Amino acid sequence: EADIYQTPRYLVIGTGKKITLECSQTMGHDKMYWYQQDPGMELHLIHYSYGVNSTEKGDLSSESTVSRIRTEHFPLTLESARPSHTSQYLCASNELAGRTDTQYFGPGTRLTVL
Amino acid sequence: AQSVTQPDIHITVSEGASLELRCNYSYGATPYLFWYVQSPGQGLQLLLKYFSGDTLVQGIKGFEAEFKRSQSSFNLRKPSVHWSDAAEYFCAVGIQGGSEKLVFGKGTKLTVNP
Repeated sequence: EADIYQTPRYLVIGTGKKITLECSQTMGHDKMYWYQQDPGMELHLIHYSYGVNSTEKGDLSSESTVSRIRTEHFPLTLESARPSHTSQYLCASNELAGRTDTQYFGPGTRLTVL
Repeated sequence: AQSVTQPDIHITVSEGASLELRCNYSYGATPYLFWYVQSPGQGLQLLLKYFSGDTLVQGIKGFEAEFKRSQSSFNLRKPSVHWSDAAEYFCAVGIQGGSEKLVFGKGTKLTVNP
């Protein structure tokens, strides 16, 4: 089982606030991901990183930004939260090693913007 | 474009009954296939994966899945369901030769009646 941590687990915040969702992993994985998941829907990739100082946008357009200054840390920031940002955000990291190639997921942050 | 279809949005079974969750994928190359489970308020946990070789794959918690290339399917099965199996199940296909980029289905919610 992988060790991926996300904080906070739940966040209720007002419109216009700046927020940062934290994601950390202790496995030394190079690749990390952020997904957005709405109720009853599939996961959509919004950001990913192949390593320190590497960030890419995913398949779903998002107003959020990410940074990767340290291998273990991949925070996601919303400069000005809006109700349309209400969703669950899942962080994952990838162990690339032949047949153990697997994405491991954190517990998620459920964000509500009022 | 690559896609994953889970035809059943919601399935209800009785405890002790057998279970089959359907997954069909669309992908031009050899697929890497995954089944994840998500309990309420939690992240995704990997149940099993198929990369190559034996088309019947064993996973955790007594689950198995069978890859059928001719049907583009990767159905998940369990011979006897437990109440703790109630959760949402996601099928995913890796589209860059592994789990580097995953495309998810919309999920199947499983309810288990006592």
